[in-house]
Amino acid sequence: GQQVMQIPQYQHVQEGEDFTTYCNSSTTLSNIQWYKQRPGGHPVFLIQLVKSGEVKKQKRLTFQFGEAKKNSSLHITATQTTDVGTYFCAAPFTTSGTYKYIFGTGTRLKVLA
Amino acid sequence: NAGVTQTPKFRVLKTGQSMTLLCAQDMNHEYMYWYRQDPGMGLRLIHYSVGEGTTAKGEVPDGYNVSRLKKQNFLLGLESAAPSQTSVYFCASSTRRTGGSYGYTFGSGTRLTVV
Repeated sequence: GQQVMQIPQYQHVQEGEDFTTYCNSSTTLSNIQWYKQRPGGHPVFLIQLVKSGEVKKQKRLTFQFGEAKKNSSLHITATQTTDVGTYFCAAPFTTSGTYKYIFGTGTRLKVLA
Repeated sequence: NAGVTQTPKFRVLKTGQSMTLLCAQDMNHEYMYWYRQDPGMGLRLIHYSVGEGTTAKGEVPDGYNVSRLKKQNFLLGLESAAPSQTSVYFCASSTRRTGGSYGYTFGSGTRLTVV
């Protein structure tokens, strides 16, 4: 079926360490989105990547889209306790001409102070 | 703007009972979605709608029905609740544009327990 695989499932880091989560698809994607969900909260849209090899930055967050548009990564530099949460990637799949996003299983990040 | 509003926030049902989850958005979005979130399973699409009066099945539609009689509202119904439907339910909406740079806007969720 249409799947987006995300690794790792969990990551514990010391505050100040870096963190990376990866998202992989077996098919070429037209774009990919990233979301953050704080504990007890709802997913919040972070960014969308569209172009092959695209790199976008949001402060300490760096998002990359692979050259083949089959994988993506989110890297956080010098994590802070405010980075705690689950990070999801989401990729669009088309059925009968309708575009809908399938979410990865997420990476849960814990930051130890 | 309120964005996407879900009611109720919490609910406990007995097996076999029915209920309707309400989702309302005030952003004039064409697309609306219902997801369920279970530990280790991420977000799974139940049903979605591409406009008023239309609905379609997602990844896990069995046991649920939906209706979109008005553009701003998307209702999720459970006709005969089962313990397997214990989950957190999220409604989301998005603009008609595919691949838009705004992503999905999610509601705050409904935590449903079926006993």
